Amino acid sequence: GAGVSQTPSNKVTEKGKYVELRCDPISGHTALYWYRQSLGQGPEFLIYFQGTGAADDSGLPNDRFFAVRPEGSVSTLKIQRTERGDSAVYLCASSLSGSGEKLLFGSGTQLSVL
Amino acid sequence: QKEVEQNSGPLSVPEGAIASLNCTYSDRGSQSFFWYRQYSGKSPELIMFIYSNGDKEDGRFTAQLNKASQYVSLLIRDSQPSDSATYLCAVITGNQFYFGTGTSLTVIP
Repeated sequence: GAGVSQTPSNKVTEKGKYVELRCDPISGHTALYWYRQSLGQGPEFLIYFQGTGAADDSGLPNDRFFAVRPEGSVSTLKIQRTERGDSAVYLCASSLSGSGEKLLFGSGTQLSVL
Repeated sequence: QKEVEQNSGPLSVPEGAIASLNCTYSDRGSQSFFWYRQYSGKSPELIMFIYSNGDKEDGRFTAQLNKASQYVSLLIRDSQPSDSATYLCAVITGNQFYFGTGTSLTVIP
């Protein structure tokens, strides 16, 4: 697509529920990143994919968080047993190759855990 | 120590003035440097990138990099009210993008 697409734009859920956030990167971009941003903070790295594989998942805060990119294009970030502290904007970004290339961001998903 | 440090501001400048935004980074191996602009409630938008020591100019924006001092800056000339936003500095180390917390800029008409 023309830009990075994220769905849904807003997600409200209850504590303890499971959520999935979707990212469709720019066509042809092999590198895909997930970030989380809280109010007044910079984006916090979660996970980086190169193709289908997670090249770096060191930013995932705990085992409730998981992400996949089965065909090397669309990625899904999955959060189990959501907690109120998970509330944030989840940003997806892609780059052409991941080797020093500029990151282009989607519009984000605002997750609110009540 | 954080990978990327920025003064959170807020920084206020009058319309038409030069706004100067600064960023330091901790890893000498960092290779690429970026400035993103983020309007309230929006996602970051890339405005400048620089890979080599020195200055890089694009319109009203100039990025400056000093690898010896581990310092990168962004100058905005002839500041406009539409430049009011948070400016995020980002640094690549390996394949990892590290972001600062951002500097809030307000341009006063």
